[in-house]
Amino acid sequence: AQSVTQPDIHITVSEGASLELRCNYSYGATPYLFWYVQSPGQGLQLLLKYFSGDTLVQGIKGFEAEFKRSQSSFNLRKPSVHWSDAAEYFCAVGDLNTGTASKLTFGTGTRLQVTL
Amino acid sequence: DVKVTQSSRYLVKRTGEKVFLECVQDMDHENMFWYRQDPGLGLRLIYFSYDVKMKEKGDIPEGYSVSREKKERFSLILESASTNQTSMYLCASRTSGGKLFFGSGTQLSVL
Repeated sequence: AQSVTQPDIHITVSEGASLELRCNYSYGATPYLFWYVQSPGQGLQLLLKYFSGDTLVQGIKGFEAEFKRSQSSFNLRKPSVHWSDAAEYFCAVGDLNTGTASKLTFGTGTRLQVTL
Repeated sequence: DVKVTQSSRYLVKRTGEKVFLECVQDMDHENMFWYRQDPGLGLRLIYFSYDVKMKEKGDIPEGYSVSREKKERFSLILESASTNQTSMYLCASRTSGGKLFFGSGTQLSVL
């Protein structure tokens, strides 16, 4: 069964500091990996996704993530955090089958707090 | 831009009531999903549908059912609401390229 682990429940960083959110996955085949962000009171918004090719993927809002197959990881990074990045971040793994197997499994989330 | 609309932002129901949560998407997506979100547990998949009248159980289907009579609408039904179903419910639809679009959620409280 597929699974996602986000080991950090809560992270606090200062505005302007760099950020790395960890994500480890378990999946039987080549995974499709996603990062979503949820601002307070909002639904989830896709930040970036990895399907194949270049293992460093760029997303919206200045985020990037690197797929490392040997470590089963897909960590999210941002070089300089802004106060508006405070939100909850979810990593997800899944596939693109259009049949019965298509679904995403989400991690438990990491809540990011940004101090000024 | 894709729009996924959930009919209610907040709902308060009593134990034993039958509850309908409605979700509509406007982009002709085949795949639609219902998740519940609880603190410390992330998003857990309840049911999903890959076509009209086609549905499949997710990871936590007990106590729920779904209906997909039209492509744009995917309903989640709580046959007899219980207090442990108090949660945030998120609907999503998915493009053929794998991108999920989420509604803004329904916060359900069962008293």
